[in-house]
Amino acid sequence: QKEVEQNSGPLSVPEGAIASLNCTYSDRVSQSFFWYRQYSGKSPELIMSIYSNGDKEDGRFTAQLNKASQYVSLLIRDSQPSDSATYLCASHSGYALNFGKGTSLLVTP
Amino acid sequence: KAGVTQTPRYLIKTRGQQVTLSCSPISGHRSVSWYQQTPGQGLQFLFEYFSETQRNKGNFPGRFSGRQFSNSRSEMNVSTLELGDSALYLCASSRTGAGGELFFGEGSRLTVL
Repeated sequence: QKEVEQNSGPLSVPEGAIASLNCTYSDRVSQSFFWYRQYSGKSPELIMSIYSNGDKEDGRFTAQLNKASQYVSLLIRDSQPSDSATYLCASHSGYALNFGKGTSLLVTP
Repeated sequence: KAGVTQTPRYLIKTRGQQVTLSCSPISGHRSVSWYQQTPGQGLQFLFEYFSETQRNKGNFPGRFSGRQFSNSRSEMNVSTLELGDSALYLCASSRTGAGGELFFGEGSRLTVL
């Protein structure tokens, strides 16, 4: 069973802080990884994709990939209350994306 | 650029009935994937269609089926509905396929009574 594991949270951070979201995956051959944001009652929205070991930055978001440790993370700098949502990690399982159950992030003013 | 459009957005059915959900992908995207989302199981892959052909199928019973038309629009059908089929059904389109960047529609929320 190919699994993507995330801590369900909630992860609570104060406004302006860095939020760190983590994800581990079991399928060693996974090559592509994605972070989605899902607001309550809405559909998932793609934030970032990452394919190579290391960091990838896009605005306030940084995705980090460590294939040796089978670990993916998402850092959100200068967190805002509008970042409060569930963050889903996904890996490419071979023919589809395999999603974690998500981490709930709460940014408090 | 228009996004992924799903209809209907909400529907209520009773056990034993069937339901058909529709999805129009982003223009130029030929891959349409369907996912079921529930609080307990999260997002689970149902199937993917690409150029009118089912390319892959997840671990769901045969009551769940789909198709894709020549204009890339897709439909999924669930027959003989069960209470456990109550979920948010999400359609996602992609330029490259189900393993690439997916862009989701707003979903169809199905309640089975």
